[in-house]
Amino acid sequence: DAMVIQNPRYQVTQFGKPVTLSCSQTLNHNVMYWYQQKSSQAPKLLFHYYDKDFNNEADTPDNFQSRRPNTSFCFLDIRSPGLGDAAMYLCATSRDLAAIQYFGAGTRLSVL
Amino acid sequence: GESVGLHLPTLSVQEGDNSIINCAYSNSASDYFIWYKQESGKGPQFIIDIRSNMDKRQGQRVTVLLNKTVKHLSLQIAATQPGDSAVYFCAVSWGKFQFGAGTQVVVTP
Repeated sequence: DAMVIQNPRYQVTQFGKPVTLSCSQTLNHNVMYWYQQKSSQAPKLLFHYYDKDFNNEADTPDNFQSRRPNTSFCFLDIRSPGLGDAAMYLCATSRDLAAIQYFGAGTRLSVL
Repeated sequence: GESVGLHLPTLSVQEGDNSIINCAYSNSASDYFIWYKQESGKGPQFIIDIRSNMDKRQGQRVTVLLNKTVKHLSLQIAATQPGDSAVYFCAVSWGKFQFGAGTQVVVTP
């Protein structure tokens, strides 16, 4: 059974139209991450939550926001998607920082 | 800044042969290393990990070797199978993880 679940698997949005991607976990892990991955490049960390503490990477654009209403769920909000935001978005969880990260299947975002 | 890189973007290997995927890192404070496998359209999947107090660790058909002196680790896959075709990433941690660029492994019959 999937332990990190991302919905939807595919999302199409229009240029500038806000979009929300969701992630849920059944592992009860403390840390939840959002990554952006383009082509076969390395996943690029956008931000993470350690419990309720939000940690933004320095180079993550303000256009990307996140919410974690409880331990199980985490959301990625893209306020005004641009063509350059088309990518695979990966959610991951880990028990602690510097521990194994378990990834969801990803959401493929297309921007028209 | 710190860098994590793999030596080859694509590795073509014949079915049944052994595969070796390499990764170099720059931060000498790195203390934990993970190899992930990512199949097309899926998220990265944990394969094997190793901590800096070890230089070798074996799993099922996979072995990770760590050389801290030259800041290099490798993933060896024994008897490569078609199901091993994927992109392989190393992830290196010094308190936070950084992923390398990935090596595409193509298994040919």
